[in-house]
Amino acid sequence: DAKTTQPNSMESNEEEPVHLPCNHSTISGTDYIHWYRQLPSQGPEYVIHGLTSNVNNRMASLAIAEDRKSSTLILHRATLRDAAVYYCILRRGTSGTYKYIFGTGTRLKVLA
Amino acid sequence: DTAVSQTPKYLVTQMGNDKSIKCEQNLGHDTMYWYKQDSKKFLKIMFSYNNKELIINETVPNRFSPKSPDKAHLNLHINSLELGDSAVYFCASSQAGGLNTEAFFGQGTRLTVV
Repeated sequence: DAKTTQPNSMESNEEEPVHLPCNHSTISGTDYIHWYRQLPSQGPEYVIHGLTSNVNNRMASLAIAEDRKSSTLILHRATLRDAAVYYCILRRGTSGTYKYIFGTGTRLKVLA
Repeated sequence: DTAVSQTPKYLVTQMGNDKSIKCEQNLGHDTMYWYKQDSKKFLKIMFSYNNKELIINETVPNRFSPKSPDKAHLNLHINSLELGDSAVYFCASSQAGGLNTEAFFGQGTRLTVV
């Protein structure tokens, strides 16, 4: 099955950018790369997704390598509220048959 | 107004019992899912339904039986509960297709089997 690998944990200082890496060397051509985060005692929440091109939204940016075997989630200015577990996910399947395959996640600690 | 809601939030029960977890979404999505999160925080898909039809059954024991009475609801019934079933169960939903296919997750149901 598809697999993503992420560092177990990372630390960042508040107000500084954070780059969260993910490897997905077994990605197939139609897999979308999704990122979710999970705050304590909550369900995962969507952050961003992309297929081949880099993506920006109000929460973050997603940089996708040209060969698509890795990606990086970029939080431009980390705040204390960004402390969470960040999951790199491959969304596989066609319309109506989607499967979101979670990685092991990176626990982000933001230091004041 | 909660998009994906699960009940109950906590469930403590004895081994061998049968229990159900309910899930409802008000987003108009066609696809719903059940995920299991173990003690190491790893999330694994169990089932998905599209328009009340079972699409994915990820080698889950037969003791787990999902039921989708309509597109907005996906319930999970578990028979003969075992200690290893203790986990947090998340319901989720997404559009079946189109540009915005992010999944929306509920708050989770923490199941503890004693």
